Amino acid sequence: DTAVSQTPKYLVTQMGNDKSIKCEQNLGHDTMYWYKQDSKKFLKIMFSYNNKELIINETVPNRFSPKSPDKAHLNLHINSLELGDSAVYFCASSQDWGKTNEKLFFGSGTQLSVL
Amino acid sequence: KQEVTQIPAALSVPEGENLVLNCSFTDSAIYNLQWFRQDPGKGLTSLLLIQSSQREQTSGRLNASLDKSSGRSTLYIAASQPGDSATYLCAVTYGNNRLAFGKGNQVVVIP
Repeated sequence: DTAVSQTPKYLVTQMGNDKSIKCEQNLGHDTMYWYKQDSKKFLKIMFSYNNKELIINETVPNRFSPKSPDKAHLNLHINSLELGDSAVYFCASSQDWGKTNEKLFFGSGTQLSVL
Repeated sequence: KQEVTQIPAALSVPEGENLVLNCSFTDSAIYNLQWFRQDPGKGLTSLLLIQSSQREQTSGRLNASLDKSSGRSTLYIAASQPGDSATYLCAVTYGNNRLAFGKGNQVVVIP
């Protein structure tokens, strides 16, 4: 059983399109995250939800909108895709928020290519 | 602003040698430091987590040390194997529970 699963694994689309990436975790965790890994391989936090509440919203264009229908799911919708959105997007989860011993569990990533 | 640097960016070692990977961070006010492994096309796997009050953590052939005051951590992998080939990322938790990642150490273990 995959602990953190995200779909699709690959996403190729044209500029201007709207697309969604889905994430589900079956670990019973309360906190979920979206990270972006750019071409230089830096991983940066985009959003974090704890018990379906948004708690981190980094400087991300408002074309990106996360949605958490329940604790086990955190989806990412992207409007009006741009070339610079091309990256690998990782979903992650942790048991709780704000504890010093929290390990993160990552999904396998979604490689988004905007043409 | 927290910045994490990992040196060297890439290294190759013959099988059986010990691996030493270095991580440094600019702000010592951290909650913990984690070492992750990333395989091509896959997500990150957490290897070791050292809380700010701890000096080291060990798991099998892996040992990670933390010197918070100097802003350094080292990951040791004993008796490397070809299966250890991967990218190893260091990340620190700081501020409002944010993680700052390094760019990783890309390791190739030559059989």
